[in-house]
Amino acid sequence: DAGVIQSPRHEVTEMGQEVTLRCKPISGHDYLFWYRQTMMRGLELLIYFNNNVPIDDSGMPEDRFSAKMPNASFSTLKIQPSEPRDSAVYFCASSSSHVIGQNTGELFFGEGSRLTVL
Amino acid sequence: AQSVTQPDIHITVSEGASLELRCNYSYGATPYLFWYVQSPGQGLQLLLKYFSGDTLVQGIKGFEAEFKRSQSSFNLRKPSVHWSDAAEYFCAVGASKIIFGSGTRLSIRP
Repeated sequence: DAGVIQSPRHEVTEMGQEVTLRCKPISGHDYLFWYRQTMMRGLELLIYFNNNVPIDDSGMPEDRFSAKMPNASFSTLKIQPSEPRDSAVYFCASSSSHVIGQNTGELFFGEGSRLTVL
Repeated sequence: AQSVTQPDIHITVSEGASLELRCNYSYGATPYLFWYVQSPGQGLQLLLKYFSGDTLVQGIKGFEAEFKRSQSSFNLRKPSVHWSDAAEYFCAVGASKIIFGSGTRLSIRP
């Protein structure tokens, strides 16, 4: 079975441009997470979904960030407009629940999308 | 609020030596605890997890971790490290919402 698939792997853009990151979770997984990794702030949870519904978006930095999950096999993270401080590696991860309302904890990570905003 | 603290940013150990990476957590209920490893340019991979039961859990690649509720700790150990263990190690806590520590970078001295 394919793992979590993220695209693009690398994105270089200019300040003010819109950026869309994409994620395809593992089939059958009902949790999807978006994390951002930087040297300064480590691995930050931005938002997570359960059964396509956003559960907690308290980690989303500001209104410039938005995430959607229109169906069980696809999610997007959008930054509009982008700023240099958004430069980071963005990871998508998925997992499945073995107890209602709780996931197994084994997050399967994609390889990440490295974003550079000039 | 849940949080994870990994007090060691960078650790260097000699190949063949034992290893212990520290992790302290804050969580309002019985925690689900995890250790993940990240190789350069890669995503994270689960090493082991604790949900309940035996407080000493075994993971992949010869790693183990011990849950100590009284100390709010979940330290990762390995009796003898190999050069291939050089990586970044992350402790995490959560049930639905998984929060990661800041990570500990492990270097291996030949």
